[in-house]
Amino acid sequence: AQSVSQHNHHVILSEAASLELGCNYSYGGTVNLFWYVQYPGQHLQLLLKYFSGDPLVKGIKGFEAEFIKSKFSFNLRKPSVQWSDTAEYFCAVNAHTGGFKTIFGAGTRLFVKA
Amino acid sequence: DTAVSQTPKYLVTQMGNDKSIKCEQNLGHDTMYWYKQDSKKFLKIMFSYNNKELIINETVPNRFSPKSPDKAHLNLHINSLELGDSAVYFCASSQDQRAYEQYFGPGTRLTVT
Repeated sequence: AQSVSQHNHHVILSEAASLELGCNYSYGGTVNLFWYVQYPGQHLQLLLKYFSGDPLVKGIKGFEAEFIKSKFSFNLRKPSVQWSDTAEYFCAVNAHTGGFKTIFGAGTRLFVKA
Repeated sequence: DTAVSQTPKYLVTQMGNDKSIKCEQNLGHDTMYWYKQDSKKFLKIMFSYNNKELIINETVPNRFSPKSPDKAHLNLHINSLELGDSAVYFCASSQDQRAYEQYFGPGTRLTVT
C-alpha cells in the first residue's frame, strides 16, 4: 500500500539555523509530490510541489525541496529559518493507484526559537 | 474572498447526537474532499467527490455520510456521535481528481463530550 514517512516528528531549531525535513514514500510509479504547511491555528496551505522536470523545486518563503527518485525521497530544506516558520509541515504524495489519492505523512512539528 | 469555507468552525456536542458540517468552494473545482485530523495532527482522507460522484470512500464508519448537492458543496453528516469522533475536520478541493494541488478550508473542530 502507498505510504508516506516523515522521519522527524518534532524539530526544534534556533533562528538562522538550517532546516531539512525528511520525507520518503513507497510507490514505484509516477507520483506528484507536495509539501504543505499548517501554521498554528490555521488551515493547510501549499508550500511547494513537484510534478516533473527539475527535481529541485522552489516554493514560497525560501523553502525548497529535492526529489530523488532513486531514494523515493522529497526532502524539504530552508537555509535559514525564522521564528515565523514555526508550524506543522506535511509531506504528501499523489499517485494513480486505480484512482487518484493523496496520502499525507504524519507531519513534522517545527518550533523555531527566537 | 474565501476559497474554501466551512461551517461551523467549532462544534461541541454530546455523544449520541447527530451533526452536520458544511463545506463550500468558490474555485470552480471539480473535486472535493473530507479529511480528519486527529489530536496528533495525523491527516487522513475520509471521502472524495468528483462532480458530485463519490470516488474515494476510505474505511470510515457508516455513521459518516457525505452529501454533494452540487460540485461546489460537500457536506458531512455524522450520526450517533462518539467520543472518538473528536477531531478537526478539513474540507479541501482540487481542480480535478489528479489533485495537482489541494486547497483546504479552515477546519471544523468537533468536540464530543
